[in-house]
Amino acid sequence: SQTIHQWPATLVQPVGSPLSLECTVEGTSNPNLYWYRQAAGRGLQLLFYSVGIGQISSEVPQNLSASRPQDRQFILSSKKLLLSDSGFYLCAWSKGQGSPNYGYTFGSGTRLTVV
Amino acid sequence: GEDVEQSLFLSVREGDSSVINCTYTDSSSTYLYWYKQEPGAGLQLLTYIFSNMDMKQDQRLTVLLNKKDKHLSLRIADTQTGDSAIYFCAGRPGGNTGKLIFGQGTTLQVKP
Repeated sequence: SQTIHQWPATLVQPVGSPLSLECTVEGTSNPNLYWYRQAAGRGLQLLFYSVGIGQISSEVPQNLSASRPQDRQFILSSKKLLLSDSGFYLCAWSKGQGSPNYGYTFGSGTRLTVV
Repeated sequence: GEDVEQSLFLSVREGDSSVINCTYTDSSSTYLYWYKQEPGAGLQLLTYIFSNMDMKQDQRLTVLLNKKDKHLSLRIADTQTGDSAIYFCAGRPGGNTGKLIFGQGTTLQVKP
C-alpha cells in the first residue's frame, strides 16, 4: 500500500534561518507531488507541484523553493525565513499522468513557526 | 482558473443532518472531492464524485452534484461529535498536472 511521510511535525525557526522540509512517498512510482500551505488554520494554498524528477512548477511567487531529487522525494526549502512563512505545510501525492485520479493523499503536515 | 467557494461555519446538534455546500467555477472539472481535516492533522479524503454523476452515497455521506449550477454538497446523516472538523471541497481543473483547487473550508461544529 502507498504511504506518505512528512517531517518534522513541528518546527520553530528564527527569522533569517534556512528551512528544509522533506516528504517521501512509498508504494508507488512516478507520483505527482504537491506542497500546500495552510495559514491560520484556514484554506489551502498550492505552493508547488511536480509531475516528475527535476520538474517543479511554482504557483505563487514567494520566499520558498522546491526540489524533487528523486522520484518519490519532494523537498521544500528557504534560504532565509520570513515571519510570514509561518503556517501549516502539507505535502500530498496523487497518481501520475494517465492514471485515473481519485484525489490526493496528504501527509500529516509540518507546523512551522517563524519567530 | 478554477475558484471554489464554501461557507465558513456550520453548527448542528448531534443526531441532526449536516449539509455543507460548495460552488465551483470550472465546468471542465472531472472530479470533485470532499476532504476532512481534524485539528492539527493533515487532510483525509472522504469521498469524491465524477462529473457525470448526480449523486453518490457512502454510508452516512451523500454527495450531490448540480453541474448546471456548479454546486456540490456534502450531507452527513446522524451527525456525531466526532464529525466536528473542517471540511474542504476541491475541484480538479483540466490538464495533466492533477492539481486540486480547494475551497477555504467549512468548520463543522457538532453540539451534544
